[in-house]
Amino acid sequence: AQSVTQLDSQVPVFEEAPVELRCNYSSSVSVYLFWYVQYPNQGLQLLLKYLSGSTLVKGINGFEAEFNKSQTSFHLRKPSVHISDTAEYFCAVSEEAAGNKLTFGGGTRVLVKP
Amino acid sequence: ETGVTQSPTHLIKTRGQQVTLRCSSQSGHNTVSWYQQALGQGPQFIFQYYREEENGRGNFPPRFSGLQFPNYSSELNVNALELDDSALYLCASSSGLAGYTGELFFGEGSRLTVL
Repeated sequence: AQSVTQLDSQVPVFEEAPVELRCNYSSSVSVYLFWYVQYPNQGLQLLLKYLSGSTLVKGINGFEAEFNKSQTSFHLRKPSVHISDTAEYFCAVSEEAAGNKLTFGGGTRVLVKP
Repeated sequence: ETGVTQSPTHLIKTRGQQVTLRCSSQSGHNTVSWYQQALGQGPQFIFQYYREEENGRGNFPPRFSGLQFPNYSSELNVNALELDDSALYLCASSSGLAGYTGELFFGEGSRLTVL
């Protein structure tokens, strides 16, 4: 069975500063990887996904993530954050051919300060 | 294009009661998944329905059950409610099973409080 660990539960960051959210996973088979964002009182929205190909994946709102198979990591980065990026971010994995069933990490709350 | 809608948005129940949550999938999607998100935690997979059949279940007891209707909408039923069932219940729709589409479309959730 796969599992996902988000190493930071909270990340405070100043506006226009860079941010990195760390995600490690474990699985005995090949996986697909995702980052979702959850704004207050809303559902989850997909930021980006890695299915295959280039290990550097670009998503919406200026976010990008890099898949590192040897380190089983999929860290999320943004070079310059805005106040509107304040939200909770979830890393998730799905095994290939698992039919869209996701295993989520515990989340990282990002608080952008002016 | 209509997104995923869930009802009710909030509800309060007492221990031992039963609850039904509803979800309308996004137009064109035939697969619905349900997730439980406890406060301060990530969502946990409950089960998935594809063409009215259950297709996979997470580590939840049988008192969690579901249905999918011919129009692909879905219900989540929870019997004999316990305090630990208090959570945000998220519905997500997607298109098909065979071949991975790579994205779930989530509703805003139903927040259940069990007293």
